[in-house]
Amino acid sequence: GIQVEQSPPDLILQEGANSTLRCNFSDSVNNLQWFHQNPWGQLINLFYIPSGTKQNGRLSATTVATERYSLLYISSSQTTDSGVYFCAGDSGGSNYKLTFGKGTLLTVNP
Amino acid sequence: NAGVTQTPKFRVLKTGQSMTLLCAQDMNHEYMYWYRQDPGMGLRLIHYSVGEGTTAKGEVPDGYNVSRLKKQNFLLGLESAAPSQTSVYFCASSTGYPPKNIQYFGAGTRLSVL
Repeated sequence: GIQVEQSPPDLILQEGANSTLRCNFSDSVNNLQWFHQNPWGQLINLFYIPSGTKQNGRLSATTVATERYSLLYISSSQTTDSGVYFCAGDSGGSNYKLTFGKGTLLTVNP
Repeated sequence: NAGVTQTPKFRVLKTGQSMTLLCAQDMNHEYMYWYRQDPGMGLRLIHYSVGEGTTAKGEVPDGYNVSRLKKQNFLLGLESAAPSQTSVYFCASSTGYPPKNIQYFGAGTRLSVL
């Protein structure tokens, strides 16, 4: 199966700073998604982004499918952005089994 | 607006006990998934279902069984719990129809096996 590598594993920011999280895939992926897990454990889907660029408020994501990577940008970070960010994708087929990276733990300090 | 609901939220078992985790979704999704999350490991797929009456193994299926008797429910069973099954369990569902196969997650079940 595909391998998903996320970097950095940990990131500490001051409120207001910008950051870029990266996700590399060992092979081509479908249905690439970014998730945020808040400190209470809830997983929320941020982006469905198999290719191209999308923006949602202070967050945006870019996937370059031909080069097998995706980036998540967080601008003007807030303490509520803290948590773990996961990327995930599937290798094709009709079962849509997502393979997750190990995540980036983001801590935003006031 | 319930989405994906998991019960129970917390459970403590003794080694060898059995239990069933229930996942219910009200979005009429075809596909449902069970994951476990361990520290530093991300989420790993245990079992999944592509429709009512179907189940299939994921990445880490050993020690677990599942059933999907109704489209809205996906049950995860532990027949004889082991300490290695201490984890946080997440259920997810998706439409299964391209091009937008977003997975929606429940709040998780924290299980400790002593």
